[in-house]
Amino acid sequence: NAGVTQTPKFQVLKTGQSMTLQCAQDMNHEYMSWYRQDPGMGLRLIHYSVGAGITDQGEVPNGYNVSRSTTEDFPLRLLSAAPSQTSVYFCASSPRAGTGGRETQYFGPGTRLLVL
Amino acid sequence: ILNVEQSPQSLHVQEGDSTNFTCSFPSSNFYALHWYRWETAKSPEALFVMTLNGDEKKKGRISATLNTKEGYSYLYIKGSQPEDSATYLCAFNAGNNRKLIWGLGTSLAVNP
Repeated sequence: NAGVTQTPKFQVLKTGQSMTLQCAQDMNHEYMSWYRQDPGMGLRLIHYSVGAGITDQGEVPNGYNVSRSTTEDFPLRLLSAAPSQTSVYFCASSPRAGTGGRETQYFGPGTRLLVL
Repeated sequence: ILNVEQSPQSLHVQEGDSTNFTCSFPSSNFYALHWYRWETAKSPEALFVMTLNGDEKKKGRISATLNTKEGYSYLYIKGSQPEDSATYLCAFNAGNNRKLIWGLGTSLAVNP
C-alpha cells in the first residue's frame, strides 16, 4: 500500500491563480480530511469527508473547495489564491467515519504552497 | 473556544535521559485524546489514541497517561535515543464531532 499520497510536493502560485492539490489513499478509508499547518499555529482543519459524495467544512474553509467523487480521492481546490494561503497542506484519512474523533489519522507527506 | 496547550515548547536532553511532557485540554465534553510523533520533513504518525480516564498506553519506550477529570495527558519517553528527536503533538476531540483540536507540539532534541 502506498498509504496517503499528495501531489505536488511544492507549488508556487501568483495571487489570483487557481489550482488543485491532489490527495489519494489506497486503504479504502471512509474519512478524509485536509489540514493546513502555519508557523505558531496547530494543524487546522479545512474540509473533511465521511464518504464518497459527502463533504463538510472544518475550521478554516474559506477560499477552498473540495469534492469526493470516489472513496480514494479527495482533491482540494484553491479558487483564487491569496498570499494568506501560503502554507503547508496535509491530507489525512481514517478507516471509519462512524467512530468520529477516536480514529487514528494517517497523514500524507504534505504539499508546500507559496502564493506570491 | 477550545484550546489545547502543550508544554514545554521545546526540550533538549542527553541520550539515555528519561523525559516527559504535558498536553492540557478542556475537561468538559471529552471524547478522545491523540498523541502523534512528527519528524522533520515527514508527516505526523500516530502514537496513541486515549479515550478513558486513567488510560495508560505504552509503545516500546514511550508511554502516555490520561486524566480527563483535570484535563491533562502526559507523554513519557524512557531512555531517550537520538532517533526520538521529533515534535510530539497532541490533539483533543470533544463530543464525537470528528474535529480534532491540535496543540502546537513539544519539540524534543536528543543529543548523542
